[in-house]
Amino acid sequence: ILNVEQSPQSLHVQEGDSTNFTCSFPSSNFYALHWYRWETAKSPEALFVMTLNGDEKKKGRISATLNTKEGYSYLYIKGSQPEDSATYLCAFKSTDKLIFGTGTRLQVFP
Amino acid sequence: EAGVTQFPSHSVIEKGQTVTLRCDPISGHDNLYWYRRVMGKEIKFLLHFVKESKQDESGMPNNRFLAERTGGTYSTLKVQPAELEDSGVYFCASSPYRGQTYEQYFGPGTRLTVT
Repeated sequence: ILNVEQSPQSLHVQEGDSTNFTCSFPSSNFYALHWYRWETAKSPEALFVMTLNGDEKKKGRISATLNTKEGYSYLYIKGSQPEDSATYLCAFKSTDKLIFGTGTRLQVFP
Repeated sequence: EAGVTQFPSHSVIEKGQTVTLRCDPISGHDNLYWYRRVMGKEIKFLLHFVKESKQDESGMPNNRFLAERTGGTYSTLKVQPAELEDSGVYFCASSPYRGQTYEQYFGPGTRLTVT
């Protein structure tokens, strides 16, 4: 059974703080790792698709790294803003289907 | 370009009733996926269509769930009869191609409440 773990479950930070979350996934038969940002009642929004060991991707203040040998990915948010408040989901791609973690719920206070 | 749309956004039904959820993928996307998130748990895969064919239905919980994609465009997911444990958010996603680097574009979900 493929299992994806995310930590922490939730995080409360002040505006301007930088933060990071962890996603752990099976290191064997790696295919791809997806990060999504999800606000309740809206569509999960794709942030990154990561495929290569050592990959680092960046979108504005958000960046992600990937280690396929040890089976983890980090998502970093620099200088958090209230509009960054959302649930951040990682998903391990197994052939075509996505296997999700339970997410990290981020709340940024002004 | 219009995104993935789902209808209805919210449905409340009684146990034993039937509900049909609809998903309209992004135009031209051959791959359509259904996922479900039960309260407090992770989003779980239900099934995958390539055009009108079911490619993988390993995540379908039981035979009370029926998914169709006639003509390879929109898809429906019918739950009959609904049970309390079917409550959750049902997401649809689409993708133009299969493969490692292609992201799946998600709709906003249908929140199903079975009372």
